[in-house]
Amino acid sequence: QVQLQESGPGLVKPSQTLSLTCTVSGASINSGSYYWSWIRQPAGKGLEWIGRVTSSGSNNYNPSLKSRVTISLDTSKNQFSLKLSSVTAADTAVYFCSRDGTLKWFDPWGQGTLVTVSS
Amino acid sequence: EIVLTQSPGTLSLSPGERATLSCRASQSVSSYLAWYQQKPGQAPRLLIYGASSRATGIPDRFSGSGSATDFTLTISRLEPEDSAVYYCHRYNTSPDIFGGGTKVEI
Repeated sequence: QVQLQESGPGLVKPSQTLSLTCTVSGASINSGSYYWSWIRQPAGKGLEWIGRVTSSGSNNYNPSLKSRVTISLDTSKNQFSLKLSSVTAADTAVYFCSRDGTLKWFDPWGQGTLVTVSS
Repeated sequence: EIVLTQSPGTLSLSPGERATLSCRASQSVSSYLAWYQQKPGQAPRLLIYGASSRATGIPDRFSGSGSATDFTLTISRLEPEDSAVYYCHRYNTSPDIFGGGTKVEI
């Protein structure tokens, strides 16, 4: 059974870089059959796809965030990570990591982690 | 960029009733559409992919239909635990797009 777990600071100061890690168990992140995505959800709002990393390390990003986002793999730890630079209060959200089957549906999801941007 | 519009915003129904949720795309997405259920404080759960295929472990009271621009998620006999927000999702092309969600109250 594949499981994903997000981790990282719950509080980030404005203008700094948000950094989160997703630890994957039950599957190898460098399996060619899957890609790995980050998705976020501000409180009381809908879902926004942030971007993905493929098993070979290439990326797709949401154009609205592309200039600030980096998603990368750490195959030695079976983890992938999200870095979002120059954050503002608008980046406050629950951040989810998920697996997608090469540009397909998201399944499963991590439980999510709340990141608040505040001084 | 494709926009997914979900309606209604909120659906209030009684146990045993049928719920019909709509997801309309601004241009054709073929059958590259998924549906998710999200309960408060939880991550979304995949219900339907390929517009009409049920994910593993999803009860058969959940069904999806449609293609191109008009899609429907039907919950045939509502149970109290079906109270949630439901999202549609266009995949297969980056960027992935989500609809705004429909809240189902029971």
